[in-house]
Amino acid sequence: KAGVTQTPRYLIKTRGQQVTLSCSPISGHRSVSWYQQTPGQGLQFLFEYFSETQRNKGNFPGRFSGRQFSNSRSEMNVSTLELGDSALYLCASGGVTVGGYTFGSGTRLTVV
Amino acid sequence: AQSVSQHNHHVILSEAASLELGCNYSYGGTVNLFWYVQYPGQHLQLLLKYFSGDPLVKGIKGFEAEFIKSKFSFNLRKPSVQWSDTAEYFCAVNADSSNTGKLIFGQGTTLQVKP
Repeated sequence: KAGVTQTPRYLIKTRGQQVTLSCSPISGHRSVSWYQQTPGQGLQFLFEYFSETQRNKGNFPGRFSGRQFSNSRSEMNVSTLELGDSALYLCASGGVTVGGYTFGSGTRLTVV
Repeated sequence: AQSVSQHNHHVILSEAASLELGCNYSYGGTVNLFWYVQYPGQHLQLLLKYFSGDPLVKGIKGFEAEFIKSKFSFNLRKPSVQWSDTAEYFCAVNADSSNTGKLIFGQGTTLQVKP
């Protein structure tokens, strides 16, 4: 079956702009989680959605937001981009009941 | 706050050497434990997981890990590494009592295997 699909793969944005990233989970998975990966901070949890509801949230500013649609696809939005938002953004779907969490290839965001 | 600690940041081994990567977590309740691997230029892949039952779990590519509840540890082992095992390894804990999809990751261990 198809894996977790994230689009786009690469993005270059200017400070102050906003960006929307997309994640399509594995078919049948209702949970989608987002993570930020940077060399300095490692992998940090952003938020998780389950059946269109945000179920958990990490310690990120309100500029980071997300949503999930009825088909379980999820989007993540970052407004007023800062240079420090440059990172690899990873999406994962799954859960304990389906044997674990599968990660997508990520979206590499560069803010200039 | 919950945290995961990987003690080895960078490990260099020769092929055929044995590997053990340490992982400790801080959480007193029920946990689900994972090891992920990230090969250069590739996405995170699940190596193995522990939810319950036998504390010695076997994963893909000859890896295994042992959950020691009294030590809050979940160390990764492989008896004989290969050059192709060169990658970054992440320990992760799902320590939310409601089993939401929040994983707390360790800082990662870079493994370099010399041929």
